[in-house]
Amino acid sequence: KAGVTQTPRYLIKTRGQQVTLSCSPISGHRSVSWYQQTPGQGLQFLFEYFSETQRNKGNFPGRFSGRQFSNSRSEMNVSTLELGDSALYLCASSPGTGSGEQYFGPGTRLTVT
Amino acid sequence: AQSVTQPDIHITVSEGASLELRCNYSYGATPYLFWYVQSPGQGLQLLLKYFSGDTLVQGIKGFEAEFKRSQSSFNLRKPSVHWSDAAEYFCAVAQSGGYQKVTFGTGTKLQVIP
Repeated sequence: KAGVTQTPRYLIKTRGQQVTLSCSPISGHRSVSWYQQTPGQGLQFLFEYFSETQRNKGNFPGRFSGRQFSNSRSEMNVSTLELGDSALYLCASSPGTGSGEQYFGPGTRLTVT
Repeated sequence: AQSVTQPDIHITVSEGASLELRCNYSYGATPYLFWYVQSPGQGLQLLLKYFSGDTLVQGIKGFEAEFKRSQSSFNLRKPSVHWSDAAEYFCAVAQSGGYQKVTFGTGTKLQVIP
């Protein structure tokens, strides 16, 4: 099976702009989770989608949003970018049936200038 | 609420030496436990997982971990470290049954010296 893919891999944006990141999970996986990883804060949970519904949400401002499509692909959007949003954004897919194990994509490196 | 503690931020070992990375969790029932590895600039790769049964679990790349309920620990071990094992290692916990929210530890960076 193909692994989790994330696009783009690298992105440079300016403060105030918005950005959309994409994640394609492993075929057959219905759950997609998003994480933000920074040197200072570590790995922080953003949200999780299962069958097009947001099942859980981390403690991030409303500027961070996401959605999942019927084919399980997911997008996350960050509006009004701030310098502090510079991070590696990781997507993880799982079957969603209760095992808890997740399979991660390579991440999107977002730099906000 | 569940939580994970990795007390060692950074560990240095010599190539060929044994390795043990510590992980302590807090959770009211029997958790699902995981170890992941992350190479620089990459995503996380699942090394091994514990759901139930035998408390010693084997993973990929020669790693193993032992679940000790009495100590709330899930330490990762490898008998002989290779230079390619240099990476960051994350312990994670998820509640068993139903919907799982996964909580990650802060990670341990492993440096391997020749």
